[in-house]
Amino acid sequence: DIQMTQSPSSLSASVGDRVTITCQANQGLGHYLNWYQQKPGRAPKLLIYGASNLETGVPSRFSGSGSGTHFTFTISSLQPEDVATYYCQQCNDLPVFTFGPGTKVDLK
Amino acid sequence: QLQLQESGPGRVKPSETLSIICTVSDGSISSSSYYWGWIRQPRGKGLEWIGSVYHTGSTYYNPSLKSRVAISIDTSNKQFSLKVYSVTAADTAVYYCARRDGSSYYPDDYWGQGTLVTVSS
Repeated sequence: DIQMTQSPSSLSASVGDRVTITCQANQGLGHYLNWYQQKPGRAPKLLIYGASNLETGVPSRFSGSGSGTHFTFTISSLQPEDVATYYCQQCNDLPVFTFGPGTKVDLK
Repeated sequence: QLQLQESGPGRVKPSETLSIICTVSDGSISSSSYYWGWIRQPRGKGLEWIGSVYHTGSTYYNPSLKSRVAISIDTSNKQFSLKVYSVTAADTAVYYCARRDGSSYYPDDYWGQGTLVTVSS
């Protein structure tokens, strides 16, 4: 089974800060890694697919990079509406696409 | 804009069967590009993929739940459903239905709002 880890588990940052979250897998995924945003009480929302492809309508301050076992998700300039929990999801190990444990982002 | 809406029982008694239906609107459930799936989230915890169904009826399950889960699809009514048998308190969660795009990197690109199911006597 593919296991996913995310770091940090939580972070606090100021408006305008650059925020970076990492996601690691215990097996190579190629580029088969997606990122989601979940606000309290809401369903997850797809932000990034295929490691670096921005979903339609998602602001360009969100970006993703990486391949293999190490991936990075970045918010270039944190906005108040970005307060949420962010999850990575591996989509290489058909059919079970495991989610990472999540990273909670708060405002400082 | 595609919409998914879950309808569930709210509360289920231990050892009974949990049943939830997801209705798809403003889009096709029969496209060969997509899978239709279920994800759950216990309160305060992370996301767990339960399983998916293709428009042909082919199903794919999380091995950890496979013995207690059944997913089916009704393309004529644009619905797919989840059954979880012999539920316990550990099955208490918000259950989401979602569309998985099989054409590129399999993202879950559309989600329902979620329905809370509580297992309690």
